[in-house]
Amino acid sequence: DTEVTQTPKHLVMGMTNKKSLKCEQHMGHRAMYWYKQKAKKPPELMFVYSYEKLSINESVPSRFSPECPNSSLLNLHLHALQPEDSALYLCASSQDRGLEQYFGPGTRLTVT
Amino acid sequence: GEDVEQSLFLSVREGDSSVINCTYTDSSSTYLYWYKQEPGAGLQLLTYIFSNMDMKQDQRLTVLLNKKDKHLSLRIADTQTGDSAIYFCAERNNTDKLIFGTGTRLQVFP
Repeated sequence: DTEVTQTPKHLVMGMTNKKSLKCEQHMGHRAMYWYKQKAKKPPELMFVYSYEKLSINESVPSRFSPECPNSSLLNLHLHALQPEDSALYLCASSQDRGLEQYFGPGTRLTVT
Repeated sequence: GEDVEQSLFLSVREGDSSVINCTYTDSSSTYLYWYKQEPGAGLQLLTYIFSNMDMKQDQRLTVLLNKKDKHLSLRIADTQTGDSAIYFCAERNNTDKLIFGTGTRLQVFP
């Protein structure tokens, strides 16, 4: 199994809603990542978890809150988002931090 | 600083070879990667090369690395319509983060 899965595939939320994005991998990888990708741009790193501990936060606003409940799961909790947060949110994992990363299909988020 | 540049667009005829180029600035990069992204999808890891190598071949893909000029290229032999996508190069920097290039849109026409 070399797959990273993400749910939901699409999400539309209002600015007062609370929602969560989920990511799962069963490759035994110990590093997991959240990226944000705007149209026609490369992915931008948001958070890195290594061995279930947050190791990098790229100065992301607190309305994005990551959580790593166990080594296979990574969540991104969303609250009070802005329309400019609309983007494709990508999860990735790697065997260890710094090794090649495998990406999920992404969640297309629209904030209205 | 870290900067990874790619040309924005490449158009090739089906069956021809495609060459996608990438330049980077961080001389301490240890690994360099090529990812493919189809419309509405995530990134697919195609191949990677360690900085002490100058070439790597994997079926239709050939990666060339010129470390002196900080230039990386991806050659796709016998390009097919299914190869149409955006291709990102990426370097791994000294804090283990991936720095992505701007992306090259490859269009393959019959």
